[in-house]
Amino acid sequence: GAVVSQHPSRVICKSGTSVKIECRSLDFQATTMFWYRQFPKQSLMLMATSNEGSKATYEQGVEKDKFLINHASLTLSTLTVTSAHPEDSSFYICSAPTTRGGSLYNEQFFGPGTRLTVL
Amino acid sequence: KQEVTQIPAALSVPEGENLVLNCSFTDSAIYNLQWFRQDPGKGLTSLLLIQSSQREQTSGRLNASLDKSSGRSTLYIAASQPGDSATYLCAVGGNQFYFGTGTSLTVIP
Repeated sequence: GAVVSQHPSRVICKSGTSVKIECRSLDFQATTMFWYRQFPKQSLMLMATSNEGSKATYEQGVEKDKFLINHASLTLSTLTVTSAHPEDSSFYICSAPTTRGGSLYNEQFFGPGTRLTVL
Repeated sequence: KQEVTQIPAALSVPEGENLVLNCSFTDSAIYNLQWFRQDPGKGLTSLLLIQSSQREQTSGRLNASLDKSSGRSTLYIAASQPGDSATYLCAVGGNQFYFGTGTSLTVIP
């Protein structure tokens, strides 16, 4: 299957700092990528849809000025958590859809996730 | 908005047992349904993808079915093994996915 990578896998930062998380599609191009957040023992919640060459679309309740998304190329999307606070500590996962493999509709491939801890 | 529910929330079975995980969704207008496995602290591994026009998909000991009209999918795991212990998530949609609440499976040796 297709491969999606994330970097870093784990980050610890002080409150008030900004953290950038990268999501890359390694062997396919992704005009769209998705960013999810997962709190302990909960399911994944979609935060935003990242669109190459245009603005991201944010889900209701997600602050676009706090979670900055940049889809700079067909293989890279970045999520920057600005002025991070302890309540932003979570597991952030990105995904990219692809129709590779003959799928009629998009199959989602997920990155390994980034564990963010804000002290 | 699509709502996805998985039952049971947790399941514990002895090794070798066959088991069924359930997923239900409120809006039947979906493009596909995907089952994932998530190990603690890890990302998601895709297990099976069922297109909206399909009724089931099989991979090894796994079989997933889809009944769009009733908004249900099941994941059947045959001859369970301790290595199957993980959280299983279903997700429905197309370009945008909505995730279920997950079933935490423990297979006891």
